[in-house]
Amino acid sequence: SAVISQKPSRDICQRGTSLTIQCQVDSQVTMMFWYRQQPGQSLTLIATANQGSEATYESGFVIDKFPISRPNLTFSTLTVSNMSPEDSSIYLCSVGAGGIQYFGAGTRLSVL
Amino acid sequence: AQSVTQLDSHVSVSEGTPVLLRCNYSSSYSPSLFWYVQHPNKGLQLLLKYTSAATLVKGINGFEAEFKKSETSFHLTKPSAHMSDAAEYFCVVSDPNAGGTSYGKLTFGQGTILTVHP
Repeated sequence: SAVISQKPSRDICQRGTSLTIQCQVDSQVTMMFWYRQQPGQSLTLIATANQGSEATYESGFVIDKFPISRPNLTFSTLTVSNMSPEDSSIYLCSVGAGGIQYFGAGTRLSVL
Repeated sequence: AQSVTQLDSHVSVSEGTPVLLRCNYSSSYSPSLFWYVQHPNKGLQLLLKYTSAATLVKGINGFEAEFKKSETSFHLTKPSAHMSDAAEYFCVVSDPNAGGTSYGKLTFGQGTILTVHP
């Protein structure tokens, strides 16, 4: 299994600003994933982040809006850039280990 | 392409009665199937997974699910509901061939909110 810590757990931000979300894992993992859960919706994959390479983004998500860093095998960041109220969501980090994806508790973001 | 349909957005049961959360899936290949639970303000927790072994899968907290290929279903059941089971449940399909990785690309259902009455 894997234990995932996300920071911050929640934040309230002004439109036009950016927020960086951190994801720390208690073991080295190859695959890390970032998901978004909009209010009342299910989870949608934003991107897959592998150490040493650029993140792979899903359709509808772009690097300029959601830049991702993966400096080592235990850490990743997701930045939500130039935020608007439509970015208000829960953002979740996930890692793959033993054929299973484990999830962090998420970051609840509200954009005013 | 793969997809998941959770047939009920809300299910309400009394404590001590059976729970049935329904899930149908669509996949071009032989998928892996999962049920996750999300308690309020908590992360997603894996309940159980099916990966082409036994069709009846037992998970944590007394939950189990049966994979029925002919019906493309993976319903979640529990014989007796407990108050602590109140949460949102997600049925998830993973197709390694769709994602290009050993973990595949997870596709989530819309979720079923389970309410348990005393």
